Amino acid sequence: SQQGEEDPQALSIQEGENATMNCSYKTSINNLQWYRQNSGRGLVHLILIRSNEREKHSGRLRVTLDTSKKSSSLLITASRAADTASYFCATDVPLINDYKLSFGAGTTVTVRA
Amino acid sequence: DVKVTQSSRYLVKRTGEKVFLECVQDMDHENMFWYRQDPGLGLRLIYFSYDVKMKEKGDIPEGYSVSREKKERFSLILESASTNQTSMYLCASSEPGQGSWGNQPQHFGDGTRLSIL
Repeated sequence: SQQGEEDPQALSIQEGENATMNCSYKTSINNLQWYRQNSGRGLVHLILIRSNEREKHSGRLRVTLDTSKKSSSLLITASRAADTASYFCATDVPLINDYKLSFGAGTTVTVRA
Repeated sequence: DVKVTQSSRYLVKRTGEKVFLECVQDMDHENMFWYRQDPGLGLRLIYFSYDVKMKEKGDIPEGYSVSREKKERFSLILESASTNQTSMYLCASSEPGQGSWGNQPQHFGDGTRLSIL
């Protein structure tokens, strides 16, 4: 079963606007990751935030993590047409010897010119 | 940059055929993964491997098997393809997890869109 769920499922914004999407998860985590997927391509890792971090930035991306609410948000500032993609959160699921990732179903972002 | 290469972008096979999907990574990563991606369901883990000749079942292993004879190559095998295995298949690799810090980022190939007729 999926650990993370993104909200909203789809988002349409004008170029230059900010885009915010949220991820909620069910059990405690060590870290949470965000990935981007352009149409017909594989996923690209964007950012990893550890459970003891509250906020992290990477260029125009800002990720927050609230472990008390079991939620994270991804903010893309000053969006561009190239930001049109699906965005996924992924949480770690401990195994005996390592971890696996559990992905949500994603948020599809469309940036209109 | 890490490169994960999947042998085919598009593949069309018939029901009952044995299908091989190949994946090669060039960063000497210990961990490799096979996922399938279907609309509205996100990525679901089929099999993964921590090291050569090791394999572990993921969440949906039925109807699939894997092979990892060399560290850089991880193959997914559909033993007898069925129409419900029509999907996008994604391969990924990563460094091992860091103890209590959890997973490392995964690096993905561009996927194989497989159609079973």
